[in-house]
Amino acid sequence: DTAVSQTPKYLVTQMGNDKSIKCEQNLGHDTMYWYKQDSKKFLKIMFSYNNKELIINETVPNRFSPKSPDKAHLNLHINSLELGDSAVYFCASSQESTRGVALGYTQYFGPGTRLTVL
Amino acid sequence: KQEVTQIPAALSVPEGENLVLNCSFTDSAIYNLQWFRQDPGKGLTSLLLIQSSQREQTSGRLNASLDKSSGRSTLYIAASQPGDSATYLCAANDYKLSFGAGTTVTVRA
Repeated sequence: DTAVSQTPKYLVTQMGNDKSIKCEQNLGHDTMYWYKQDSKKFLKIMFSYNNKELIINETVPNRFSPKSPDKAHLNLHINSLELGDSAVYFCASSQESTRGVALGYTQYFGPGTRLTVL
Repeated sequence: KQEVTQIPAALSVPEGENLVLNCSFTDSAIYNLQWFRQDPGKGLTSLLLIQSSQREQTSGRLNASLDKSSGRSTLYIAASQPGDSATYLCAANDYKLSFGAGTTVTVRA
């Protein structure tokens, strides 16, 4: 059983297109996250959601819009894709949170979605 | 702003040798520090989580220490095996996880 799953695994698209990445967790967690790992392998948080409410938005361009239809799903929609958006995007979830942060519990990561913008 | 640094960036050792991976962070006001493992093309796997009130955590051959006041954590891996080859990431949690760039470990058979 996959705890945190993402689709698609690979996404290749042209500049200017709009695309979505889906994430689902079957762990019963309240909080979900999106991270971006750039070509230098730095992982940075983009968003966190707690019970479908946006908690953390780390100065991400408004071309990126997360959507949480329910606690188990957090999707990432990206408008007008740019070359600099090429990266690996990871979804994660955690059990407990305060202000959307897992203070005492670890985060479980999905396998990642490699986005390439041409 | 929290800055996390990991040294060394890469490490290659023969099988059986002990590994020492270092992590430093600039803001000591953290809730916890976490160590993850990342295999090529895969997601992150949690290894150890040390609460700010703890000094160390152990899991099997892994031991992680935390010195919050000096902004340092060390991950020790005893008797390394080829299967330990991966990138190891530490992350300091103040209200979000701030990651280091990782240490890429190669264990030679």
